[in-house]
Amino acid sequence: GENVEQHPSTLSVQEGDSAVIKCTYSDSASNYFPWYKQELGKRPQLIIDIRSNVGEKKDQRIAVTLNKTAKHFSLHITETQPEDSAVYFCAASVTGNQFYFGTGTSLTVIP
Amino acid sequence: GAGVSQSPSNKVTEKGKDVELRCDPISGHTALYWYRQRLGQGLEFLIYFQGNSAPDKSGLPSDRFSAERTGESVSTLTIQRTQQEDSAVYLCASSPGRERDIQYFGAGTRLSVL
Repeated sequence: GENVEQHPSTLSVQEGDSAVIKCTYSDSASNYFPWYKQELGKRPQLIIDIRSNVGEKKDQRIAVTLNKTAKHFSLHITETQPEDSAVYFCAASVTGNQFYFGTGTSLTVIP
Repeated sequence: GAGVSQSPSNKVTEKGKDVELRCDPISGHTALYWYRQRLGQGLEFLIYFQGNSAPDKSGLPSDRFSAERTGESVSTLTIQRTQQEDSAVYLCASSPGRERDIQYFGAGTRLSVL
């Protein structure tokens, strides 16, 4: 089955700096890669996703890149703000099948 | 409401008792997932329902865990003879199904086994 690894497990950045979280996956059939943000005590919320037919997707301060050859994808947050502090999870899925989640990255943005 | 609804939001039970957790997916969503999230941990897949297909039960940790779903509606996750290590938040998510993979999560049920 699929194996998703996520790094780093914790990340602290100064407000205004960029944050990058990386995930690798093992199943070359995976074709959908969402990222979720989970604030303390709340449900995971989808923040951005990418499909295997594109290499990059951007939504304001958030971007995701995908390298299918190397089987890794990354979340980039620019101009970080204190409200970006949360746990971020990556996931990989083959369309129509179960999702495999990374172990999460706890991001702290220091004002 | 328009979102995924889970009940109860909190459940405290004694070791050895059975518990039943409920998930109401978004209307029309054919896919439904159950996850377990232990304190400070990631999301652990438990079971996946897709329409009328046989569910993917590969994530259930033991035979004490079972889940059912009637058609494309409510799902229940049952844990028999609960153990302290079952304490966690149990999250349910639904999605529109094939080719449309976005999952919408419920708020979860926080289970505490004393």
